[in-house]
Amino acid sequence: AQSVTQLDSHVSVSEGTPVLLRCNYSSSYSPSLFWYVQHPNKGLQLLLKYTSAATLVKGINGFEAEFKKSETSFHLTKPSAHMSDAAEYFCVVSEPSGTYKYIFGTGTRLKVLA
Amino acid sequence: ETGVTQSPTHLIKTRGQQVTLRCSSQSGHNTVSWYQQALGQGPQFIFQYYREEENGRGNFPPRFSGLQFPNYSSELNVNALELDDSALYLCASSLGTDGDGYTFGSGTRLTVV
Repeated sequence: AQSVTQLDSHVSVSEGTPVLLRCNYSSSYSPSLFWYVQHPNKGLQLLLKYTSAATLVKGINGFEAEFKKSETSFHLTKPSAHMSDAAEYFCVVSEPSGTYKYIFGTGTRLKVLA
Repeated sequence: ETGVTQSPTHLIKTRGQQVTLRCSSQSGHNTVSWYQQALGQGPQFIFQYYREEENGRGNFPPRFSGLQFPNYSSELNVNALELDDSALYLCASSLGTDGDGYTFGSGTRLTVV
Protein backbone atom coordinates (compact mmCIF):
# COMPACT_ATOMS: atom_id res chain seq x y z
CA ALA A 1 0.00 0.00 0.00
CA GLN A 2 1.12 3.52 -0.72
CA SER A 3 1.70 6.09 2.02
CA VAL A 4 3.51 9.34 2.62
CA THR A 5 5.02 10.73 5.79
CA GLN A 6 5.64 14.42 6.19
CA LEU A 7 8.34 14.65 8.79
CA ASP A 8 7.54 18.12 10.14
CA SER A 9 4.10 19.40 11.06
CA HIS A 10 5.38 22.99 11.37
CA VAL A 11 8.36 24.76 9.78
CA SER A 12 9.37 28.37 10.41
CA VAL A 13 11.86 30.25 8.24
CA SER A 14 12.87 33.86 7.87
CA GLU A 15 12.00 35.70 4.68
CA GLY A 16 14.80 35.29 2.15
CA THR A 17 16.17 32.05 3.65
CA PRO A 18 15.86 28.58 2.12
CA VAL A 19 12.83 26.36 2.62
CA LEU A 20 13.00 22.60 3.11
CA LEU A 21 9.83 20.55 3.62
CA ARG A 22 10.47 16.85 4.05
CA CYS A 23 8.45 13.94 2.68
CA ASN A 24 9.14 10.21 2.68
CA TYR A 25 6.98 7.80 0.72
CA SER A 26 6.22 4.13 0.73
CA SER A 27 5.12 2.43 -2.46
CA SER A 28 5.19 -1.03 -3.95
CA TYR A 29 5.24 0.47 -7.41
CA SER A 30 7.04 3.25 -9.21
CA PRO A 31 5.14 6.11 -7.65
CA SER A 32 3.69 9.33 -8.93
CA LEU A 33 4.37 12.03 -6.37
CA PHE A 34 3.00 15.52 -6.00
CA TRP A 35 3.27 18.58 -3.81
CA TYR A 36 0.19 20.72 -3.27
CA VAL A 37 -0.16 23.99 -1.39
CA GLN A 38 -3.26 25.16 0.46
CA HIS A 39 -3.67 28.78 1.45
CA PRO A 40 -6.33 29.64 4.06
CA ASN A 41 -9.86 29.36 2.68
CA LYS A 42 -8.50 28.27 -0.68
CA GLY A 43 -8.44 25.00 -2.56
CA LEU A 44 -5.36 22.90 -3.18
CA GLN A 45 -2.97 24.19 -5.81
CA LEU A 46 -0.53 21.88 -7.59
CA LEU A 47 3.08 22.97 -7.08
CA LEU A 48 4.82 20.19 -8.95
CA LYS A 49 4.63 16.52 -9.88
CA TYR A 50 6.99 13.60 -10.42
CA THR A 51 5.86 10.91 -12.84
CA SER A 52 9.05 8.88 -13.54
CA ALA A 53 10.74 11.38 -15.82
CA ALA A 54 13.50 13.66 -14.50
CA THR A 55 14.25 13.13 -10.82
CA LEU A 56 14.63 16.87 -10.19
CA VAL A 57 11.26 18.47 -10.71
CA LYS A 58 10.74 22.19 -11.02
CA GLY A 59 7.42 23.67 -10.09
CA ILE A 60 5.70 27.00 -9.80
CA ASN A 61 6.81 29.96 -7.66
CA GLY A 62 10.43 28.80 -7.51
CA PHE A 63 9.76 25.48 -5.77
CA GLU A 64 11.46 22.26 -6.75
CA ALA A 65 11.66 18.70 -5.44
CA GLU A 66 14.06 15.83 -5.94
CA PHE A 67 12.91 12.22 -6.18
CA LYS A 68 15.43 9.96 -4.43
CA LYS A 69 14.49 6.32 -4.79
CA SER A 70 17.30 5.06 -2.56
CA GLU A 71 16.05 7.26 0.28
CA THR A 72 12.33 7.00 -0.62
CA SER A 73 12.18 10.78 -0.29
CA PHE A 74 10.62 13.64 -2.21
CA HIS A 75 11.61 16.77 -0.31
CA LEU A 76 10.35 20.19 -1.39
CA THR A 77 12.79 23.10 -1.50
CA LYS A 78 12.90 26.77 -2.39
CA PRO A 79 16.08 28.88 -2.32
CA SER A 80 14.49 31.99 -0.83
CA ALA A 81 11.24 32.16 1.11
CA HIS A 82 8.71 34.88 0.48
CA MET A 83 5.99 36.01 2.85
CA SER A 84 3.39 34.77 0.38
CA ASP A 85 4.74 31.21 0.75
CA ALA A 86 3.15 30.90 4.20
CA ALA A 87 0.59 28.11 3.81
CA GLU A 88 -0.07 24.41 4.37
CA TYR A 89 1.87 22.04 2.11
CA PHE A 90 0.84 18.49 1.31
CA CYS A 91 2.94 15.69 -0.11
CA VAL A 92 0.84 13.25 -2.13
CA VAL A 93 1.36 9.82 -3.64
CA SER A 94 -0.94 8.52 -6.33
CA GLU A 95 -1.92 4.91 -6.82
CA PRO A 96 -0.39 3.72 -10.06
CA SER A 97 -3.54 2.27 -11.58
CA GLY A 98 -7.28 2.05 -11.27
CA THR A 99 -8.56 5.16 -9.63
CA TYR A 100 -5.19 6.87 -9.26
CA LYS A 101 -6.56 8.16 -5.99
CA TYR A 102 -4.42 10.51 -3.99
CA ILE A 103 -2.99 9.58 -0.63
CA PHE A 104 -2.12 12.72 1.28
CA GLY A 105 0.40 13.31 4.01
CA THR A 106 -0.72 15.08 7.15
CA GLY A 107 0.62 18.40 5.95
CA THR A 108 3.37 20.85 6.92
CA ARG A 109 2.44 24.37 7.93
CA LEU A 110 5.07 26.81 6.71
CA LYS A 111 5.47 30.06 8.59
CA VAL A 112 7.58 32.83 7.10
CA LEU A 113 8.97 35.40 9.51
CA ALA A 114 9.65 38.97 8.45
CA GLU B 1 -8.00 30.78 -10.59
CA THR B 2 -9.24 27.18 -10.28
CA GLY B 3 -11.56 25.80 -12.97
CA VAL B 4 -13.46 23.76 -10.39
CA THR B 5 -16.23 25.49 -8.46
CA GLN B 6 -18.02 24.16 -5.41
CA SER B 7 -21.21 25.24 -3.71
CA PRO B 8 -22.09 26.21 -1.12
CA THR B 9 -18.89 27.47 0.48
CA HIS B 10 -20.19 27.00 4.01
CA LEU B 11 -23.04 24.94 5.41
CA ILE B 12 -24.41 24.17 8.86
CA LYS B 13 -26.58 21.09 9.36
CA THR B 14 -28.07 19.26 12.29
CA ARG B 15 -27.11 15.72 13.21
CA GLY B 16 -29.33 13.21 11.38
CA GLN B 17 -30.07 15.50 8.46
CA GLN B 18 -29.07 14.94 4.84
CA VAL B 19 -26.84 17.23 2.77
CA THR B 20 -25.96 17.65 -0.91
CA LEU B 21 -22.74 19.32 -1.96
CA ARG B 22 -22.19 20.38 -5.55
CA CYS B 23 -19.21 20.64 -7.84
CA SER B 24 -18.77 21.99 -11.33
CA SER B 25 -15.68 20.61 -13.05
CA GLN B 26 -13.66 22.02 -15.89
CA SER B 27 -15.15 21.30 -19.29
CA GLY B 28 -13.81 18.04 -20.69
CA HIS B 29 -12.77 16.66 -17.30
CA ASN B 30 -14.28 13.18 -17.22
CA THR B 31 -12.99 12.24 -13.79
CA VAL B 32 -14.17 13.74 -10.53
CA SER B 33 -13.03 12.76 -7.06
CA TRP B 34 -14.29 13.82 -3.66
CA TYR B 35 -12.15 14.17 -0.55
CA GLN B 36 -12.92 14.86 3.09
CA GLN B 37 -10.47 17.05 5.01
CA ALA B 38 -11.00 17.08 8.75
CA LEU B 39 -9.50 19.96 10.71
CA GLY B 40 -5.72 19.68 10.94
CA GLN B 41 -5.51 16.63 8.71
CA GLY B 42 -4.79 15.80 5.10
CA PRO B 43 -7.66 15.09 2.71
CA GLN B 44 -9.04 11.55 2.66
CA PHE B 45 -10.36 9.95 -0.55
CA ILE B 46 -14.13 9.36 -0.50
CA PHE B 47 -14.82 8.14 -4.03
CA GLN B 48 -14.24 8.81 -7.70
CA TYR B 49 -16.47 8.95 -10.75
CA TYR B 50 -15.42 8.47 -14.35
CA ARG B 51 -17.93 9.16 -17.08
CA GLU B 52 -20.83 8.99 -14.62
CA GLU B 53 -19.84 5.65 -13.09
CA GLU B 54 -18.27 5.17 -9.68
CA ASN B 55 -14.84 3.59 -10.25
CA GLY B 56 -13.28 3.69 -6.81
CA ARG B 57 -14.20 4.21 -3.20
CA GLY B 58 -12.32 4.92 -0.02
CA ASN B 59 -13.10 3.80 3.50
CA PHE B 60 -16.40 5.66 3.85
CA PRO B 61 -19.80 4.17 4.71
CA PRO B 62 -22.63 3.85 2.16
CA ARG B 63 -24.39 6.93 3.53
CA PHE B 64 -21.81 8.83 1.48
CA SER B 65 -22.96 8.66 -2.13
CA GLY B 66 -22.41 10.60 -5.30
CA LEU B 67 -23.54 11.38 -8.79
CA GLN B 68 -21.77 12.69 -11.86
CA PHE B 69 -23.68 14.31 -14.70
CA PRO B 70 -22.90 14.66 -18.43
CA ASN B 71 -22.39 18.41 -18.07
CA TYR B 72 -19.28 17.86 -15.87
CA SER B 73 -21.14 18.65 -12.66
CA SER B 74 -21.31 16.28 -9.74
CA GLU B 75 -22.82 15.87 -6.28
CA LEU B 76 -21.79 14.42 -2.96
CA ASN B 77 -24.69 13.31 -0.79
CA VAL B 78 -24.37 12.46 2.87
CA ASN B 79 -27.29 10.94 4.77
CA ALA B 80 -27.83 10.66 8.51
CA LEU B 81 -25.20 13.27 9.29
CA GLU B 82 -22.94 12.68 12.28
CA LEU B 83 -20.88 15.21 14.21
CA ASP B 84 -17.68 13.65 12.83
CA ASP B 85 -18.82 14.51 9.31
CA SER B 86 -17.86 18.12 10.04
CA ALA B 87 -15.03 18.83 7.60
CA LEU B 88 -13.96 20.57 4.43
CA TYR B 89 -15.17 18.62 1.41
CA LEU B 90 -13.04 18.99 -1.70
CA CYS B 91 -13.92 18.17 -5.26
CA ALA B 92 -11.15 17.47 -7.76
CA SER B 93 -11.32 16.86 -11.49
CA SER B 94 -9.00 15.69 -14.24
CA LEU B 95 -9.13 14.85 -17.91
CA GLY B 96 -8.69 11.11 -17.49
CA THR B 97 -7.77 8.56 -14.90
CA ASP B 98 -4.03 8.52 -15.38
CA GLY B 99 -3.28 10.44 -12.20
CA ASP B 100 -1.52 13.23 -14.07
CA GLY B 101 -2.76 15.84 -11.70
CA TYR B 102 -6.10 16.92 -10.38
CA THR B 103 -7.54 20.42 -10.20
CA PHE B 104 -9.15 21.05 -6.84
CA GLY B 105 -12.01 23.32 -5.92
CA SER B 106 -11.95 25.59 -2.87
CA GLY B 107 -14.19 23.23 -0.95
CA THR B 108 -17.37 23.30 1.07
CA ARG B 109 -17.00 23.71 4.83
CA LEU B 110 -19.68 21.52 6.46
CA THR B 111 -20.44 21.91 10.14
CA VAL B 112 -22.73 19.38 11.81
CA VAL B 113 -24.23 20.47 15.13
